[in-house]
Amino acid sequence: AQTVTQSQPEMSVQEAETVTLSCTYDTSESDYYLFWYKQPPSRQMILVIRQEAYKQQNATENRFSVNFQKAAKSFSLKISDSQLGDAAMYFCAYRSGRETSGSRLTFGEGTQLTVNP
Amino acid sequence: GAVVSQHPSRVICKSGTSVKIECRSLDFQATTMFWYRQFPKQSLMLMATSNEGSKATYEQGVEKDKFLINHASLTLSTLTVTSAHPEDSSFYICSARDWFQPQHFGDGTRLSIL
Repeated sequence: AQTVTQSQPEMSVQEAETVTLSCTYDTSESDYYLFWYKQPPSRQMILVIRQEAYKQQNATENRFSVNFQKAAKSFSLKISDSQLGDAAMYFCAYRSGRETSGSRLTFGEGTQLTVNP
Repeated sequence: GAVVSQHPSRVICKSGTSVKIECRSLDFQATTMFWYRQFPKQSLMLMATSNEGSKATYEQGVEKDKFLINHASLTLSTLTVTSAHPEDSSFYICSARDWFQPQHFGDGTRLSIL
């Protein structure tokens, strides 16, 4: 079974600074997808960024980028120029590429990010 | 972008009553819908996966008779918490996807059983 681990329960960053959230995963599959979701106090789950395992290029979405290290099974999220609105719980998630898996997501434990003004 | 609507956002009811939560995909046909439960400051725990027109697949430890899931159409799934008790109080979130979309989540339902 796949597992996702986020070893940082809490992180903090100064506004306008850069912060990196860590995520590691364990799988024997070669075809899969990785995601970062953001859950602000409203508790809405918002997709931040996704990465296909077959792509070597790291995904980027504006101020958000990932460092995908497939051999190390690491998928960290970098937030540049942090803003107060970035404060939230961040979840790393894994999804198998096999259609028989039912496309279920496996979530990490989450990292609570605080942005200090 | 894809939108998933979940209703109600909050419900408070007495112990022993049944509560129905609806999850709708508004601008795409959801081949699969998922139901999660989330305790405060914890991760999402998958309860069940439902495909349109077929029985839901429940995760180990989730009571099928307690949490009834119906996925009658490609845009609607419902979760009914039957004979709810205080220990069923939690935050329930649905999500939906089709073959082309990643999972998109509803806004969640905060269930409080008195």
